Amino acid sequence: AQKITQTQPGMFVQEKEAVTLDCTYDTSDPSYGLFWYKQPSSGEMIFLIYQGSYDQQNATEGRYSLNFQKARKSANLVISASQLGDSAMYFCAMREGKKGGGFKTIFGAGTRLFVKA
Amino acid sequence: ETGVTQTPRHLVMGMTNKKSLKCEQHLGHNAMYWYKQSAKKPLELMFVYSLEERVENNSVPSRFSPECPNSSHLFLHLHTLQPEDSALYLCASSPSWGVFTDTQYFGPGTRLTVL
Repeated sequence: AQKITQTQPGMFVQEKEAVTLDCTYDTSDPSYGLFWYKQPSSGEMIFLIYQGSYDQQNATEGRYSLNFQKARKSANLVISASQLGDSAMYFCAMREGKKGGGFKTIFGAGTRLFVKA
Repeated sequence: ETGVTQTPRHLVMGMTNKKSLKCEQHLGHNAMYWYKQSAKKPLELMFVYSLEERVENNSVPSRFSPECPNSSHLFLHLHTLQPEDSALYLCASSPSWGVFTDTQYFGPGTRLTVL
């Protein structure tokens, strides 16, 4: 079973509108972190937002917010007021403990977002 | 100097060449990572260094040899690569390795093409 699932290979959104990128995860570890990254065509992975498993409130960073539904194991990214520069690949990632110690970060397959003018 | 830098940004090499990728972080972090990103595949973790000690090697072929001389620098030495090794190689760093809250910050990547 996949640990991180991003079901939308591609998404279109009109400029200035909001868009939700889906992410579901699978873990039995009570302590984990959830991350979203943006990867423009230049290749760099840009950190956007973080949500910890014990955080009571949804994380927000400027136009980005994370809709964290722990019972459903979902961590959707919401981008408000989309801009043309938001066109990129978006990756959801989870950091969890490993058997034997240490932590690992697992990335989803990504969602490509296209913002239309 | 910002964040995490990688050089070169693009590299074309033959299968018999030896080359090295360089990564430098200016964030004061203690952990550094090499990832491979191939087309249409999820990001694959290759190596992890914590305080200059290799703590993870995810079954990477020996033609990839990492080196971490200090906590700010990470190298990936390449020799006798195969065409299927062509990919984007991303370096990342994080404050530490052993905490689930640690955020990884990435460099711009090296686009490697093996002919």
